[in-house]
Amino acid sequence: ETGVTQTPRHLVMGMTNKKSLKCEQHLGHNAMYWYKQSAKKPLELMFVYNFKEQTENNSVPSRFSPECPNSSHLFLHLHTLQPEDSALYLCASSQDVQGNEKLFFGSGTQLSVL
Amino acid sequence: TQLLEQSPQFLSIQEGENLTVYCNSSSVFSSLQWYRQEPGEGPVLLVTVVTGGEVKKLKRLTFQFGDARKDSSLHITAAQPGDTGLYLCAGVGAGGTSYGKLTFGQGTILTVHP
Repeated sequence: ETGVTQTPRHLVMGMTNKKSLKCEQHLGHNAMYWYKQSAKKPLELMFVYNFKEQTENNSVPSRFSPECPNSSHLFLHLHTLQPEDSALYLCASSQDVQGNEKLFFGSGTQLSVL
Repeated sequence: TQLLEQSPQFLSIQEGENLTVYCNSSSVFSSLQWYRQEPGEGPVLLVTVVTGGEVKKLKRLTFQFGDARKDSSLHITAAQPGDTGLYLCAGVGAGGTSYGKLTFGQGTILTVHP
């Protein structure tokens, strides 16, 4: 039990659909992250939130829209995605946003875009 | 941009064998983390090494940080099927534009056959 819960675990969507991924952490952490994991590629950092304020956007296309209403919840809103966006999307949290912090990951949402 | 090269990408061995996974870069890191990710789950932190030349042991796993803090290795003794998974190294940048940022390697997929 990592304390970071992601829903749904699996998602299949068409390119014209709109869907949202949800992440909740029960660890009292201040920082939350979205990562993209594709086969044979390193984990790609997408967004960072610290105390519910976005502190980093790694040149992510606007079809991905994050939302962080509070330090415990993080959403990733998806619209008009492309097939190459199919991947495992991982949410993580840490006590603070410094690089040495230990990351706690959720189990991820496996996304397939048809 | 920091790059972390992990080798090998794939490793398939029999139970009881020893193995080493390498994580190399031309960049200096202030610390380096090792994660293990099992199928259908998110990565879980195994260890963080901070000091050049540092060696840490976790049961049958031995982690070493290079003297120059540019590389690291993970050695597993007498591998067991439960060691199967994706092993990821991640380095925290020590300077420049990468200072404090976490960069992941592409991972090593280990399969241990009974």
